[in-house]
Amino acid sequence: GEDVEQSLFLSVREGDSSVINCTYTDSSSTYLYWYKQEPGAGLQLLTYIFSNMDMKQDQRLTVLLNKKDKHLSLRIADTQTGDSAIYFCAERRNNNDMRFGAGTRLTVKP
Amino acid sequence: DTEVTQTPKHLVMGMTNKKSLKCEQHMGHRAMYWYKQKAKKPPELMFVYSYEKLSINESVPSRFSPECPNSSLLNLHLHALQPEDSALYLCASSQDGDLYGYTFGSGTRLTVV
Repeated sequence: GEDVEQSLFLSVREGDSSVINCTYTDSSSTYLYWYKQEPGAGLQLLTYIFSNMDMKQDQRLTVLLNKKDKHLSLRIADTQTGDSAIYFCAERRNNNDMRFGAGTRLTVKP
Repeated sequence: DTEVTQTPKHLVMGMTNKKSLKCEQHMGHRAMYWYKQKAKKPPELMFVYSYEKLSINESVPSRFSPECPNSSLLNLHLHALQPEDSALYLCASSQDGDLYGYTFGSGTRLTVV
């Protein structure tokens, strides 16, 4: 199975907050990322966090990192229908080794 | 230019055909990657070229053959593929020490008939 684990589905109402969770296994991972993939498209980097940080906020996005539990979360405030997509958590173990989770499919209902 | 460009966007090929996927970036990135993504699955790494030196995922069959003519171009040559090879093939690039992750192309949707 994947080294990075995510729940597969999340459904929220427009205007609510979405929280997507991820656990990773390699404590030596220095960079952790969230990517967004819309249907038929490639992966778009949303945000990233370094392992020496606990939190990062970027407009509607908030990333929380619990390094002790190897847990990463992405919170999307005021979720919109355009946020419907698959969200991949990824850990970068070295320059050329990026591991992805299975992806969480976010559905935003009007 | 901050994009990774992949061509073609869609490809249908027979099991006896030979075709190539192309990827190009002009960001000065020295590492380029091929990923395979099946429906509802995460991308899986196939090949890495770092400073034009190849690293291989040992599980990738020999019917896939990568080529890196120069630091801006990456090809994936396909020969005698099977229907189960149908997938989205994603190219990505990165720079050593780049904190901003990989830049992905929009992919080539490959169907093997």
